Amino acid sequence: SQTIHQWPATLVQPVGSPLSLECTVEGTSNPNLYWYRQAAGRGLQLLFYSVGIGQISSEVPQNLSASRPQDRQFILSSKKLLLSDSGFYLCAWSGSVALDEQYFGPGTRLTVT
Amino acid sequence: GNSVTQMEGPVTLSEEAFLTINCTYTATGYPSLFWYVQYPGEGLQLLLKATKADDKGSNKGFEATYRKETTSFHLEKGSVQVSDSAVYFCALDPRDARQLTFGSGTQLTVLP
Repeated sequence: SQTIHQWPATLVQPVGSPLSLECTVEGTSNPNLYWYRQAAGRGLQLLFYSVGIGQISSEVPQNLSASRPQDRQFILSSKKLLLSDSGFYLCAWSGSVALDEQYFGPGTRLTVT
Repeated sequence: GNSVTQMEGPVTLSEEAFLTINCTYTATGYPSLFWYVQYPGEGLQLLLKATKADDKGSNKGFEATYRKETTSFHLEKGSVQVSDSAVYFCALDPRDARQLTFGSGTQLTVLP
């Protein structure tokens, strides 16, 4: 069966520090991968999605970036965090077949202080 | 563009009460529609889905019917339980792009 992992589960970082969040998927090949952010009390905002290694599409201009160095690995990064980057970050995957639902990881709670 | 509008929460109900969470959408073409649930501190889980008009998705006692004429996908449950307390998200997949558009979420609290 397929599983999706995210780490760390929680993170507290000072403003201006770098960020690296990792997401890995097991049990499937060539998944579509997604990064979402959920600010407190708000809905989900799609940040990045990827349909293959090295292929990243950005939905929202910001100081975050994403990379996909391996087929089932998706990394969210920042060189300098802002207070507004605080939130709950969710990684998700879907199959490459149309109409597949997305499967979400457990999330990372990021607090920028 | 595509958008999803959900009734604003929070919603507080007593156990065994009837639940309706309204969801309407705007999309070109014929999207697929989803309800996701997020329990406290966790990621989202797919609750149910419908892929064409008049389809009814159902799971764990929850139901939602894809109404094209009213562009709606309201979530219902006849008798809620305390364990149903969570945030519920309506979402659409426009089919022409592999991206989901989510509503803002509705917080449901069920009291014993």
